[in-house]
Amino acid sequence: QVQLQESGPGLVKPSETLSLTCAVSGGSISTNNWWSWVRQPPGKGLEWIGEIYHSGSTNYSPSLKSRVTILVDKSKNQFSLKLSSVTAADTAVYYCARKGYYAPYYFDYWGQGTLVTVSS
Amino acid sequence: DIQMTQSPSSLSASVGDRVTITCQASQDINNYLNWYQQKPGRAPKLLIYDASNLETGVPSRFSGSGSGTDFTFTISSLQPEDIATYYCQQYDNLPYTFGQGTKLEIK
Repeated sequence: QVQLQESGPGLVKPSETLSLTCAVSGGSISTNNWWSWVRQPPGKGLEWIGEIYHSGSTNYSPSLKSRVTILVDKSKNQFSLKLSSVTAADTAVYYCARKGYYAPYYFDYWGQGTLVTVSS
Repeated sequence: DIQMTQSPSSLSASVGDRVTITCQASQDINNYLNWYQQKPGRAPKLLIYDASNLETGVPSRFSGSGSGTDFTFTISSLQPEDIATYYCQQYDNLPYTFGQGTKLEIK
C-alpha cells in the first residue's frame, strides 16, 4: 500500500519561499506514475499546482508556473515543492498525490495534507 | 483553463434519499472526468473515474454518468457516512481543474 507524507514548515513569511517534501513509502517513486501537488485554501476548493515524473519531467499550472519548482529525489524516494514570493493567498493545506502515467488520469493516493500559513 | 461548474453548492437530504450532483465543463472533455469525496480534515478520496467507472472498494450506491460537457454524480440511497464535500475534476487538458465542490448535509 503506497503512502504519502508531506512535511515542512507550517508558517512562512510573506515574500519568502514555501518548501515542502512528500515522502513516498510502500513503493518506489520510479514507477509509471506522476507525482503531484494539490492545494486547498481554508474553506475553499482544490487547486492543482503541478506534477513530476521520476525522469524529472514536469508540468505546472500556468497560474503558478513562474513561482513553482517541483523536484524529485529518487535516492530518498521523495519529491518536493518550492513556491516563491508567497503571499497570504498561498495559505492553504498542501497535499501531495499520485497519478498514473497512462490514462485514465486520476489521483488515487493522497497524503494527509499539511497546512501552510503565510504570515509575518 | 477548463472551468468546471458544480451544482448545487450545498445540498441537504435525508438518509435513504437519492442525491444528484451535476458538473458542467466549459468545453468538451469527452469522458475525462473524476469524482472525489472529501470529509472534513481529510484528503480527497477517489470514487469515480472516467465519468462512470467505480473505483475498487467504493460502494455501489455511488454512480456517475455523462460525456462531453455535462456530467452527473448520484448516490442512490444516502447514508450518514456520505456526509462530505464532493468534487468533480477534469483531466482532458492541463491544468487539471476541479469543480468548486458540493457540500452534502443530512436533513
